[in-house]
Amino acid sequence: EAGVTQFPSHSVIEKGQTVTLRCDPISGHDNLYWYRRVMGKEIKFLLHFVKESKQDESGMPNNRFLAERTGGTYSTLKVQPAELEDSGVYFCASSQVQGISYNSPLHFGNGTRLTVT
Amino acid sequence: AQKVTQAQTEISVVEKEDVTLDCVYETRDTTYYLFWYKQPPSGELVFLIRRNSFDEQNEISGRYSWNFQKSTSSFNFTITASQVVDSAVYFCALSEAQGTYKYIFGTGTRLKVLA
Repeated sequence: EAGVTQFPSHSVIEKGQTVTLRCDPISGHDNLYWYRRVMGKEIKFLLHFVKESKQDESGMPNNRFLAERTGGTYSTLKVQPAELEDSGVYFCASSQVQGISYNSPLHFGNGTRLTVT
Repeated sequence: AQKVTQAQTEISVVEKEDVTLDCVYETRDTTYYLFWYKQPPSGELVFLIRRNSFDEQNEISGRYSWNFQKSTSSFNFTITASQVVDSAVYFCALSEAQGTYKYIFGTGTRLKVLA
């Protein structure tokens, strides 16, 4: 079974540019989460999809961030325009069911390291 | 407010030493879940353990053990006889009352095990 896959692994862009991060969850996982770790700080929740619907987007920092999950499969996270403080590692994770379950743990991807210069 | 504190930013030990990573949490909820994740140099977050608030039993898994104490709101992680492969960043996390994977993470502890 393939794990959670994130593209690209690294991205370096200039302030003001646009970047789109992609996450492919494990096949069959309806729940998809985005998290972000800004340098040296805690990993913070951004949002949670159940299939194609945004279940909880309370962690999205501002309207420069747009997350989509068309068709309930892969998800994209677009930052437009990027600012210096957006630099960090963006993690995607998926689970089969919504609640915490021994039978449905949360699987994380390797993350995308975004650097805004 | 809910919060997870990992006061140790970085720890260095010599191989075969025991090491304890501290985690202190704050929550108003009576039902909650606590987790530990390992982030090796490859970058992914690897699940280590989950505990719910009603289960204060300590757990041992090989060289790893966890001490959950509600009285002090702590969920500490001990590695016995550390190995170089244990070098990683370790994160403690708390889930909110809804019982979903909306985590509150600590800032992580970087463990360096020296040969």
